[in-house]
Amino acid sequence: GAGVSQTPSNKVTEKGKYVELRCDPISGHTALYWYRQSLGQGPEFLIYFQGTGAADDSGLPNDRFFAVRPEGSVSTLKIQRTERGDSAVYLCASSSGGSLGETQYFGPGTRLLVL
Amino acid sequence: SQQGEEDPQALSIQEGENATMNCSYKTSINNLQWYRQNSGRGLVHLILIRSNEREKHSGRLRVTLDTSKKSSSLLITASRAADTASYFCAVSGGSNYKLTFGKGTLLTVNP
Repeated sequence: GAGVSQTPSNKVTEKGKYVELRCDPISGHTALYWYRQSLGQGPEFLIYFQGTGAADDSGLPNDRFFAVRPEGSVSTLKIQRTERGDSAVYLCASSSGGSLGETQYFGPGTRLLVL
Repeated sequence: SQQGEEDPQALSIQEGENATMNCSYKTSINNLQWYRQNSGRGLVHLILIRSNEREKHSGRLRVTLDTSKKSSSLLITASRAADTASYFCAVSGGSNYKLTFGKGTLLTVNP
């Protein structure tokens, strides 16, 4: 079956612009996660959705970052007034039921470059 | 901050040799997972070991978990050039659904 997909694969933008990153989870997965990975580092947690609601957004670095999942499937990560430090690979993952410690399946990521 | 820490940071071996990577963490966990990442893109799930398990096998992979030492190891036997990748351990603990990753081990398998 289809895995997690993310679009676009790459995004180049200018400092100060607004960007949206999209994630399509595995069909039927109720839990969805966003992570950010900087060069040479492991992924860092941003936000977790259970259904339509953000159950844990403690990893969002500041109020320029926002994510939605209005119908409990596709999610969009939104970054306002982008800064060069936002450049990273943004990874989305989904899992079947949101049980503690269940396997998370990752998408290929969106590589964001802010010039 | 990242809880899982892999050791070594980089490992270079010849095809056919075994590769061992270690992971240490700081707090109690529900489980520990190992992932592989090629070329800095998507992560592929390799294996999950629960806190009440001590060892798990999957094909050429063997994972051990020592909760008293807060450490895990990933052994890849009879390595292949295609195993070249970065390997990450990730832990989940307490009431957290999120995974906390280490910085990873870059494994290079030379043909």
